[in-house]
Amino acid sequence: GENVEQHPSTLSVQEGDSAVIKCTYSDSASNYFPWYKQELGKGPQLIIDIRSNVGEKKDQRIAVTLNKTAKHFSLHITETQPEDSAVYFCAASNSGGYQKVTFGTGTKLQVIP
Amino acid sequence: DTAVSQTPKYLVTQMGNDKSIKCEQNLGHDTMYWYKQDSKKFLKIMFSYNNKELIINETVPNRFSPKSPDKAHLNLHINSLELGDSAVYFCASSQVGGSKYEQYFGPGTRLTVT
Repeated sequence: GENVEQHPSTLSVQEGDSAVIKCTYSDSASNYFPWYKQELGKGPQLIIDIRSNVGEKKDQRIAVTLNKTAKHFSLHITETQPEDSAVYFCAASNSGGYQKVTFGTGTKLQVIP
Repeated sequence: DTAVSQTPKYLVTQMGNDKSIKCEQNLGHDTMYWYKQDSKKFLKIMFSYNNKELIINETVPNRFSPKSPDKAHLNLHINSLELGDSAVYFCASSQVGGSKYEQYFGPGTRLTVT
């Protein structure tokens, strides 16, 4: 089955700095890579996703890159703000069938004002 | 309007008891999921139902039994609760085969077994 590794497990940045979270996956059949943000006491919420036919996607301060050959994908948050503080999960799935999504182990991001 | 709702939000019970968690989605999705999040925040899928049919059944003890009375509801019944069952349980839904693959999560049910 799919295995998703995520680093770092915790990340502290100063407000305004950038944050980068990296993930690797094992199953070459995976073709959909979502990123979820989980705020304290809430369920995860999708913030950005990328499909395997795209190398990079950007949405305002958030960007995701995918290297299919190396089976790496990363989340980049620029100009971080205190409200970006949360746990972030990368995930991988094969969207061709029923969606079994395998999540990474999570990164707790703290943005220091 | 709540998209995915779960009840109860908190559940405290003793070992050996039987309990149920309910989930409802009003998004019109055809697929629903149960996830378990442990104290280290690891998020792992337990079950998935598509149009009331069980399609994903991970290695979960038989004490856990999901039930989907219709497309909009997915309940989780747990028998003979154990200390290790303490976790936050999330329900989620999505539309399989559509152009978007996003899973929408409920607010979670924090289960504490004493």
